[in-house]
Amino acid sequence: DVKVTQSSRYLVKRTGEKVFLECVQDMDHENMFWYRQDPGLGLRLIYFSYDVKMKEKGDIPEGYSVSREKKERFSLILESASTNQTSMYLCASSFMGGQYGYTFGSGTRLTVV
Amino acid sequence: GQQLNQSPQSMFIQEGEDVSMNCTSSSIFNTWLWYKQDPGEGPVLLIALYKAGELTSNGRLTAQFGITRKDSFLNISASIPSDVGIYFCAGPSNTGNQFYFGTGTSLTVIP
Repeated sequence: DVKVTQSSRYLVKRTGEKVFLECVQDMDHENMFWYRQDPGLGLRLIYFSYDVKMKEKGDIPEGYSVSREKKERFSLILESASTNQTSMYLCASSFMGGQYGYTFGSGTRLTVV
Repeated sequence: GQQLNQSPQSMFIQEGEDVSMNCTSSSIFNTWLWYKQDPGEGPVLLIALYKAGELTSNGRLTAQFGITRKDSFLNISASIPSDVGIYFCAGPSNTGNQFYFGTGTSLTVIP
């Protein structure tokens, strides 16, 4: 069964900590994405990547960075976590051209205290 | 990024009732996707539509690609408790590499 795996389902971090959210896909997809999901705001794109070592800013990149050193892995980094980054984070991947849509991971619910 | 207008925002229905929701865009799309997100999980693809006017079913779910190519519809017949979740529509960017999502329709089914 093809999968997008996010390393943690739940995380609790302190304000100011550096936080790493990891995502791995086993479908040989070129494209990978990070979204955050908040009630009433839908899915908002943070960063995406079309290739190894390549990244593009999405709609809300402030306070985040990403790393894609290998095709199958896309990491989201919160440089200095803040309480307004408490959210559900979703990773997704797709083939180049995206014809078949995204495959999503199960999500990481991050709480910053 | 482009936001798709999805309605209704939420629905509370009795088990056994039919459900209808829709999604509109200011741009023409050549693909429409419908996803369902179970509570605490990531969205899962339900139906993909690739042609204007296309009507596609997946069990009790039926989706249609509007003939204007700016809208799409999802119907659920004879709802059951496991239909509970958030339903998202999505349409592609010009390159097709990125999808824009609707704000979601939250469905609650009352037994």
